[in-house]
Amino acid sequence: DAGVIQSPRHEVTEMGQEVTLRCKPISGHNSLFWYRQTMMRGLELLIYFNNNVPIDDSGMPEDRFSAKMPNASFSTLKIQPSEPRDSAVYFCASSFGGGPRWQETQYFGPGTRLLVL
Amino acid sequence: AQKVTQAQTEISVVEKEDVTLDCVYETRDTTYYLFWYKQPPSGELVFLIRRNSFDEQNEISGRYSWNFQKSTSSFNFTITASQVVDSAVYFCALSRIQGAQKLVFGQGTRLTINP
Repeated sequence: DAGVIQSPRHEVTEMGQEVTLRCKPISGHNSLFWYRQTMMRGLELLIYFNNNVPIDDSGMPEDRFSAKMPNASFSTLKIQPSEPRDSAVYFCASSFGGGPRWQETQYFGPGTRLLVL
Repeated sequence: AQKVTQAQTEISVVEKEDVTLDCVYETRDTTYYLFWYKQPPSGELVFLIRRNSFDEQNEISGRYSWNFQKSTSSFNFTITASQVVDSAVYFCALSRIQGAQKLVFGQGTRLTINP
């Protein structure tokens, strides 16, 4: 079975440019999570969706970041405009769960390594 | 607030040695999940195990074993007869069972197995 799919795997861009990261969750999973990994802050949750609805976006750094989940099989994380401090590995994870009540194990995609020059 | 502490930043051992990775957690919840994930040099995060807070039985899977002690808020991970392929960064994580479902990760332990 296919796992979580993320694209691109690597992205190099210049400061000020728009960056769009994409994620396809595991088929049948109804919760999707975006995490960011940096040396300074480790792994931290940015936002998560349940049944395509954003449930918790308290980890989104600022207005430059936005995330959407237009359907059960696709999500995007957009940074506009990008800054050098956004350089990190961005992971998408999915799980099956009932939203605020219960959740199964989160399975992670391979990550997108973003470098903003 | 929830917090996970992995005090060992780096561990280096020789192949075939046993090694234990420590994990201590803090939470006010009475029910919660604990996890271990592996991040090999290729960078992906691989799920290893999930434990419920109400199940304190230790678990063994091949060369891997986990010791969960609620009394000391610890969830330690032991690799027996380590192999070079075990070299990776290992993360312990905590989440609620109900309510906000985010994973709270420790800072990770970088394990190097030398031939």
